[in-house]
Amino acid sequence: KAGVTQTPRYLIKTRGQQVTLSCSPISGHRSVSWYQQTPGQGLQFLFEYFSETQRNKGNFPGRFSGRQFSNSRSEMNVSTLELGDSALYLCASSLSSRAYEQYFGPGTRLTVT
Amino acid sequence: GQQVMQIPQYQHVQEGEDFTTYCNSSTTLSNIQWYKQRPGGHPVFLIQLVKSGEVKKQKRLTFQFGEAKKNSSLHITATQTTDVGTYFCAGHNSNYQLIWGAGTKLIIKP
Repeated sequence: KAGVTQTPRYLIKTRGQQVTLSCSPISGHRSVSWYQQTPGQGLQFLFEYFSETQRNKGNFPGRFSGRQFSNSRSEMNVSTLELGDSALYLCASSLSSRAYEQYFGPGTRLTVT
Repeated sequence: GQQVMQIPQYQHVQEGEDFTTYCNSSTTLSNIQWYKQRPGGHPVFLIQLVKSGEVKKQKRLTFQFGEAKKNSSLHITATQTTDVGTYFCAGHNSNYQLIWGAGTKLIIKP
């Protein structure tokens, strides 16, 4: 089975712009979660989608949004980028949103200048 | 809000020494999962514990889930350079939210 894929792998944006990141989960996985990881920091939970519905949301401003499509692929969008949004954005998929292990993609490294 | 405290934040060990990281939750968890993130990589699932008092072993790694299902530990015996990385614990709460620890970074001293 192919693993979780994320595109693009690297991205450089300017403050004030917006960005869309994409995640394709493992085939058959219906839950997709997004995390932000900054150097030396742990995993900050952004949101989780299951069957196109947002099930959980972390403590991030409304500039961060996401969606999931019927094929379980997911996108997250960050509008009005700030320097502090520079981070590794990780997507993880699991069979279900309940009590299953997560499989992470390689991440998208976003740099905001 | 609910959190999982993970300690220590860093641990420096000589190769061959043991390593332990601990997680403590403010509330009961339905399970505990452990992940490893190598430098420059992404977290990789290691194991899941579900039962109260459960102990599982993977070669030199021993995982424990506390009797009250609020705490867990990961112990590595005789560390090797391949063990370097950050170890995260995560557990599902009663609302099926996955709560993550901040991670423990294992550093092997040269």
